[in-house]
Amino acid sequence: DSGVTQTPKHLITATGQRVTLRCSPRSGDLSVYWYQQSLDQGLQFLIQYYNGEERAKGNILERFSAQQFPDLHSELNLSSLELGDSALYFCASSVLVDTEAFFGQGTRLTVV
Amino acid sequence: DAKTTQPNSMESNEEEPVHLPCNHSTISGTDYIHWYRQLPSQGPEYVIHGLTSNVNNRMASLAIAEDRKSSTLILHRATLRDAAVYYCILRDMRGGGNKLTFGTGTQLKVEL
Repeated sequence: DSGVTQTPKHLITATGQRVTLRCSPRSGDLSVYWYQQSLDQGLQFLIQYYNGEERAKGNILERFSAQQFPDLHSELNLSSLELGDSALYFCASSVLVDTEAFFGQGTRLTVV
Repeated sequence: DAKTTQPNSMESNEEEPVHLPCNHSTISGTDYIHWYRQLPSQGPEYVIHGLTSNVNNRMASLAIAEDRKSSTLILHRATLRDAAVYYCILRDMRGGGNKLTFGTGTQLKVEL
């Protein structure tokens, strides 16, 4: 158990819908990351926050947005969902912006 | 981003040492070499990282070539639990973030 909690574990939704994935980092960690893992694209970095502020941005679609709240938990919002958005979404956290990251178990999103 | 090259798969017998190679010929002077692994149905797990010198921890050892263009992750005694995909990653700290770019990794199979 890495100490990073992601909810829900599984999510099934229809195309065009909007969902919110939630992540609670390890106690004391200030930085959170979001990654997407699909069969054809592998693990893709989406975005990183540190103490509430965006620090690095990867291949995150405009339909996706994220934020880190004052209590350091983070949410990833996915809207106008398409079939291709079906994937595992991982959250990770680290103590500082550049220390090793600890990953959660992921949220499996299925868009039908 | 600097890229890494790893074999697609490797096999080992239980209780034998395993050497997982990684080539990163375009590494820059400030790139740290990170290794993560992903066990089936789990999120990635931090293994080890280094910059120039060889590193040891409870999980593994990391041997870095003198020119830093390659590195080797060493598992001293493989167990069945070590069967996983191993990712060699160059950490991109540009812009003050901590972007980990995962490649396709090496699928390690461990047999009795």
